[in-house]
Amino acid sequence: NAGVTQTPKFQVLKTGQSMTLQCAQDMNHNSMYWYRQDPGMGLRLIYYSASEGTTDKGEVPNGYNVSRLNKREFSLRLESAAPSQTSVYFCASRTGTGGAGADTQYFGPGTRLTVL
Amino acid sequence: SQQGEEDPQALSIQEGENATMNCSYKTSINNLQWYRQNSGRGLVHLILIRSNEREKHSGRLRVTLDTSKKSSSLLITASRAADTASYFCATAPRGSGNTGKLIFGQGTTLQVKP
Repeated sequence: NAGVTQTPKFQVLKTGQSMTLQCAQDMNHNSMYWYRQDPGMGLRLIYYSASEGTTDKGEVPNGYNVSRLNKREFSLRLESAAPSQTSVYFCASRTGTGGAGADTQYFGPGTRLTVL
Repeated sequence: SQQGEEDPQALSIQEGENATMNCSYKTSINNLQWYRQNSGRGLVHLILIRSNEREKHSGRLRVTLDTSKKSSSLLITASRAADTASYFCATAPRGSGNTGKLIFGQGTTLQVKP
């Protein structure tokens, strides 16, 4: 199992450009999450999908949109990138069912995004 | 705003010593989790403690939870150089249902010197 995969690993954008960050998990998890991590900070939740077919805003959703394409894939789109969106973006997933391990989140390796 | 505050922000110890990290949070929770992040990598889950539990062990890890003080501590015993990483507490707020939403603290950076 690959776990949670993210593409691309690195990206440089100019202000105003758009891009989509891709995330996929092969663990048959129900819930998926997008976080951003700024230097010296913990993770902040951007959007999440508690189950296939649903998406909801997290703590810092402005400037982002998401799509839960199917149970495996959850993408994050920046429509018009701004320098304030320079960050490391992490995708995570969680089963949400099945007892003891239901709440554990599994993280991808991250996408390092720079907006000039 | 972030739920958790961690203390200390940075900790440097010698191999074999114990490391203690503390986390305080603001609102009622369903559970509290600790994650480790090695430099340049994603987060890895270490341990989860539910709101009705006071202490939990996993290998060299010991976690305590005091809901009256809204605080938790993570103890790593007999530390190794490989424990060098950042450690984050994350809380699942009460009322978040089965969304799995987590609010992360700012983390403690641990350096274990060989």
